[in-house]
Amino acid sequence: DIQLTQSPSFLSASVGDRVTITCRASQGISSYLAWYQQKPGKAPKLLIYAASTLQSGVPSRFSGSGSGTEFTLTISSLQPEDFATYYCQQLNRYLPLTFGGGTKVAIK
Amino acid sequence: QVQLQESGPGLAKPSETLSLTCAVSGSSISSESYYWGWIRQPPGKGLEWIGSIYYTGSTNYNPSLKSRVTITLDTSKNQVSLKLSSVTAADTAVYYCARHLHMGANTVLDYWGQGTLVTVSS
Repeated sequence: DIQLTQSPSFLSASVGDRVTITCRASQGISSYLAWYQQKPGKAPKLLIYAASTLQSGVPSRFSGSGSGTEFTLTISSLQPEDFATYYCQQLNRYLPLTFGGGTKVAIK
Repeated sequence: QVQLQESGPGLAKPSETLSLTCAVSGSSISSESYYWGWIRQPPGKGLEWIGSIYYTGSTNYNPSLKSRVTITLDTSKNQVSLKLSSVTAADTAVYYCARHLHMGANTVLDYWGQGTLVTVSS
């Protein structure tokens, strides 16, 4: 299975900050990566797929980049509703789907 | 709009079989465009993919759970079911069903149910 390692596991930031989360894959996965946002007590919500494609309805302050083994999720200007936990997921349908361990974004 | 709703007992006894159902509305489980599957999340922990099923009945399971998992479809009710046998406390989790959208070799989980907590305890 492909292992995904997210860093940091926790970060505190202020409204308006630029935030970057990294996801590293144990082997190359091309652009087969998605990002999800999860708020307490809620199901994850798809933000980005194919490493950089924004899901319909997701604000443009969210962006994704990377390929191979290193990927990033960037929030250009953190908003109050963005405080949540973020997960990366490898998308290759021919392999078991796996998730990163999560990054909790908290208010500073 | 697409909605998924999980249901089932919130409590299971060790060594027994956990059974959950996911009722789907706004999307047909008989569509060629989607797989349907399950993901779980132990309290305070991360996400684990359990497996998925296609309208043909073809399944894919997480190798770590494969020996204990069965996912089936009921097309007459537009429902997806999960059975997990020989459960232990380690299977205590919120269980989510999700629509798996295939785009080429990619599989994204674009719609999720609200999740249902299953506790394994005697």
